[in-house]
Amino acid sequence: DADVTQTPRNRITKTGKRIMLECSQTKGHDRMYWYRQDPGLGLRLIYYSFDVKDINKGEISDGYSVSRQAQAKFSLSLESAIPNQTALYFCATSYGSGTDTQYFGPGTRLTVL
Amino acid sequence: GQQVMQIPQYQHVQEGEDFTTYCNSSTTLSNIQWYKQRPGGHPVFLIQLVKSGEVKKQKRLTFQFGEAKKNSSLHITATQTTDVGTYFCADLSGTYKYIFGTGTRLKVLA
Repeated sequence: DADVTQTPRNRITKTGKRIMLECSQTKGHDRMYWYRQDPGLGLRLIYYSFDVKDINKGEISDGYSVSRQAQAKFSLSLESAIPNQTALYFCATSYGSGTDTQYFGPGTRLTVL
Repeated sequence: GQQVMQIPQYQHVQEGEDFTTYCNSSTTLSNIQWYKQRPGGHPVFLIQLVKSGEVKKQKRLTFQFGEAKKNSSLHITATQTTDVGTYFCADLSGTYKYIFGTGTRLKVLA
């Protein structure tokens, strides 16, 4: 959805560099998520946040950190990138009640050399 | 931890043939959501199943939740080239976060 945007869309970096991926949403949702997608492994949850003061680790948080700067902004950082962090990264948001549909951003393709 | 597996991993069908993907869990599933991701795109929500044995239809797509809530399936009747993509199931885990399955990639040959 255009309501969830991610920057950059593509990034190539070198091992050891610090990288930040940003996510913004205009849906007014409290809940935001970061996933990574690797071929054959589906989508794996890295971190999630249910409101500005709430940050939780997901399945694969090692090597990653996040910051929830505002209700609309959720950033993912790789403090020291390594090649096996090469993947497609998705941000998602959800309302938090009812069906709790997740709305995904367009994704960031990250390559670590 | 919980694992949500999907089979098959890949499926190639001729246009007009039917297609089914299965979502299986090592534990009892809670709420199942299905998503579709077109090539080069992002996952898009299709439907949610909540009740044991529940069946829902969307045009040519039929979604089913197993009686024991250990599995779910998505069946597409008479596939079209627009059905190409990867289909994911996702199970509610704990407090409103979802565990995604490994996905089934569908290719439809015209």
